[in-house]
Amino acid sequence: DQQVKQNSPSLSVQEGRISILNCDYTNSMFDYFLWYKKYPAEGPTFLISISSIKDKNEDGRFTVFLNKSAKHLSLHIVPSQPGDSAVYFCAAKGSYIPTFGRGTSLIVHP
Amino acid sequence: DAGVIQSPRHEVTEMGQEVTLRCKPISGHDYLFWYRQTMMRGLELLIYFNNNVPIDDSGMPEDRFSAKMPNASFSTLKIQPSEPRDSAVYFCASSLALAGVGTDTQYFGPGTRLTVL
Repeated sequence: DQQVKQNSPSLSVQEGRISILNCDYTNSMFDYFLWYKKYPAEGPTFLISISSIKDKNEDGRFTVFLNKSAKHLSLHIVPSQPGDSAVYFCAAKGSYIPTFGRGTSLIVHP
Repeated sequence: DAGVIQSPRHEVTEMGQEVTLRCKPISGHDYLFWYRQTMMRGLELLIYFNNNVPIDDSGMPEDRFSAKMPNASFSTLKIQPSEPRDSAVYFCASSLALAGVGTDTQYFGPGTRLTVL
């Protein structure tokens, strides 16, 4: 059973608009959350993270929001750019090893 | 540093053949991870090493899979015999530590796309 769920396999957004990628988790022991970005033919690269003691973390155009009561986090990209087109993986840690979701493919149209 | 290096980048083989995937982690990283990516299951951890010692191999799907790390700069993932359902992208990753701000970041290699016919 998937403990980290990314229920939208794909998302299409127009350049300049906001992209919102969602992630749900089931394990209440998770206390640290990460987003990785993956381009075709490359490995995932770390993008942004958030600890469970926070509800928001911002890094430039990327912001991650955490709602612990709902066991939900989201990644906001504002404004979206064509270069943001990639697969985004949500991951959660409770012990030391992250559990990854299946990924969401984001396409940003010019 | 060149990052995590994996070879080959692509492997096509026939069912029943032995497949060996190779990984060179980032120098100085004490942890090495092997992941498998499929559409159905996303990124799954197969096994990880600490200082060349396997710590958790509970993600290895079957006895057909084995992994070794003979030294700090080299690891292999072997599938023998291979089956069509093993077709996936296999990633190697390394990190300085398992916990700690910044030091636990996993750096992934470009992956090996395995196709078993």
